[in-house]
Amino acid sequence: DAGVTQSPTHLIKTRGQHVTLRCSPISGHKSVSWYQQVLGQGPQFIFQYYEKEERGRGNFPDRFSARQFPNYSSELNVNALLLGDSALYLCASSLDRDGYTFGSGTRLTVV
Amino acid sequence: EDQVTQSPEALRLQEGESSSLNCSYTVSGLRGLFWYRQDPGKGPEFLFTLYSAGEEKEKERLKATLTKKESFLHITAPKPEDSATYLCAGNSGGSNYKLTFGKGTLLTVNP
Repeated sequence: DAGVTQSPTHLIKTRGQHVTLRCSPISGHKSVSWYQQVLGQGPQFIFQYYEKEERGRGNFPDRFSARQFPNYSSELNVNALLLGDSALYLCASSLDRDGYTFGSGTRLTVV
Repeated sequence: EDQVTQSPEALRLQEGESSSLNCSYTVSGLRGLFWYRQDPGKGPEFLFTLYSAGEEKEKERLKATLTKKESFLHITAPKPEDSATYLCAGNSGGSNYKLTFGKGTLLTVNP
């Protein structure tokens, strides 16, 4: 069984650039959530999508956006990158509230 | 605002030396207290979900318990391979699937 797949695994961007991160959930999971984890901290909630609709949004600026596609995969977009956006970005998929499976994440470095 | 606090921040044990990690939470309408294990550079790996005070769950050398204000992760006779960061997260009620994480406890088990 394939788990949650995230791509790319690592990338380096320059301040001011735009980035798109991708996530494929576990087959049958209709909910996808995005989290940001800065080194030494716990993951922070960014977005949750269910059946292609946004169900929740964390305390992040409008530079962060996301969407979910008909096949339940998802993209996280970040515009006008800042140095502080450097983090591990995690995607989690779930069938219901009771199980959240995380991917291995995308390590974003902004220079 | 939902809050999860973990202690200690770091714990160093000798192999076989049992101990407990603490997770204090203030999560409105708690609907699930989660424990995850995270290895460096990886996504969190699901361990347990607890739903009501008094509930206990076990997996190998780990046992998680829940009260109305705290959760404990007991580690019995740990081995070096148990070294990791252990994360606690609360899921609040409502329409979204947001997890509020603590900062984690970095556990190191020396041989």
